[in-house]
Amino acid sequence: DADVTQTPRNRITKTGKRIMLECSQTKGHDRMYWYRQDPGLGLQLIYYSFDVKDINKGEISDGYSVSRQAQAKFSLSLESAIPNQTALYFCATSDAKPGTGSTGELFFGEGSRLTVL
Amino acid sequence: DQQVKQNSPSLSVQEGRISILNCDYTNSMFDYFLWYKKYPAEGPTFLISISSIKDKNEDGRFTVFLNKSAKHLSLHIVPSQPGDSAVYFCAAAGTYKYIFGTGTRLKVLA
Repeated sequence: DADVTQTPRNRITKTGKRIMLECSQTKGHDRMYWYRQDPGLGLQLIYYSFDVKDINKGEISDGYSVSRQAQAKFSLSLESAIPNQTALYFCATSDAKPGTGSTGELFFGEGSRLTVL
Repeated sequence: DQQVKQNSPSLSVQEGRISILNCDYTNSMFDYFLWYKKYPAEGPTFLISISSIKDKNEDGRFTVFLNKSAKHLSLHIVPSQPGDSAVYFCAAAGTYKYIFGTGTRLKVLA
């Protein structure tokens, strides 16, 4: 079983629909992230959370919201999907702590491909 | 403003030769730098990282070099193998956030 699991893996929806992408992790990490990947733009940070009570906006948070239901779960919502939100979405976790010598590795899920028609 | 840049969108290398992937950054406050490899239909996987206090880190065929004065890092793969064909992302980490470059698609020719 994957350490970081994303559901659904693929989703096609229509403009204006509400969509939720879910992420769960078994690594016991406090920090969770949502990224989107577009061709030629790399990975852009949407939201990140350092614990259940701490949610922060990333570079491209407009049109998205998140919920950290538990340490292991971090959901991304599109309240009213639009075509330019068609992308590949990745959830990631990290236990990086400053000054500990950690490599700071991010562990990614396998991605959720969203198509908005 | 793109804080982390990978100026070469693609690179082709012959099997057995060296692959050099480059990455530039603008913020001197990053604590460490990472390289990720991504195959189609999979999430990125961690390859190697380097702390900002070091200038080289080696792991098997992979070596990352950091030139802080030039704000430049590079990933060397020697020898390159066909299985190394993938998209490579560099990332810079600081204040607990990770900023990724746009990726370089490496193709290793058999």
